[in-house]
Amino acid sequence: DAGVIQSPRHEVTEMGQEVTLRCKPISGHNSLFWYRQTMMRGLELLIYFNNNVPIDDSGMPEDRFSAKMPNASFSTLKIQPSEPRDSAVYFCASSPSGEAPLHFGNGTRLTVT
Amino acid sequence: RKEVEQDPGPFNVPEGATVAFNCTYSNSASQSFFWYRQDCRKEPKLLMSVYSSGNEDGRFTAQLNRASQYISLLIRDSKLSDSATYLCVVRIYNQGGKLIFGQGTELSVKP
Repeated sequence: DAGVIQSPRHEVTEMGQEVTLRCKPISGHNSLFWYRQTMMRGLELLIYFNNNVPIDDSGMPEDRFSAKMPNASFSTLKIQPSEPRDSAVYFCASSPSGEAPLHFGNGTRLTVT
Repeated sequence: RKEVEQDPGPFNVPEGATVAFNCTYSNSASQSFFWYRQDCRKEPKLLMSVYSSGNEDGRFTAQLNRASQYISLLIRDSKLSDSATYLCVVRIYNQGGKLIFGQGTELSVKP
């Protein structure tokens, strides 16, 4: 069974450019989470969806960040325009509903120069 | 105050040692608890769930104290391969099932 699939694995871009990160959750999982990880702040929850509906986006740092989940098998996290301080590893994770734990993707390592 | 706080690391221990990690959470509505392990430059992976009565999985024992809002992880007979960062995680149901991670505690097991 395929796990959570994220793309790209690495992204290097210049300040001001638009960045789109992609995630395919595990089939049948109806909760999807986007996290950002840095050395200074650890793993921060950005936004999560239940049944494709955003439930809590209070962790999204600013209006430059947006996330969508158009269907049960795909989500995007977009940063526009990107800034150097956005450099981090972005993880997508999914879980079935209820008390099940998360399954993480391999992450996207973003570097904004 | 952070919602989930963990012991500061790193913990440097010899092989065979017993090591304990502690975690406190601030939201009393927290309902599910987990320990995750993260290897360097990898994604976090579930180590074990934490049940109210405490639970054991081989060399790993997890405990929960709801009254004190405290979770622990004990590793016995530590191996070199246990070297990783251990993340305490709580799920908050009155916030729609939000999962909050602690900062993590780094463990380094030396020969």
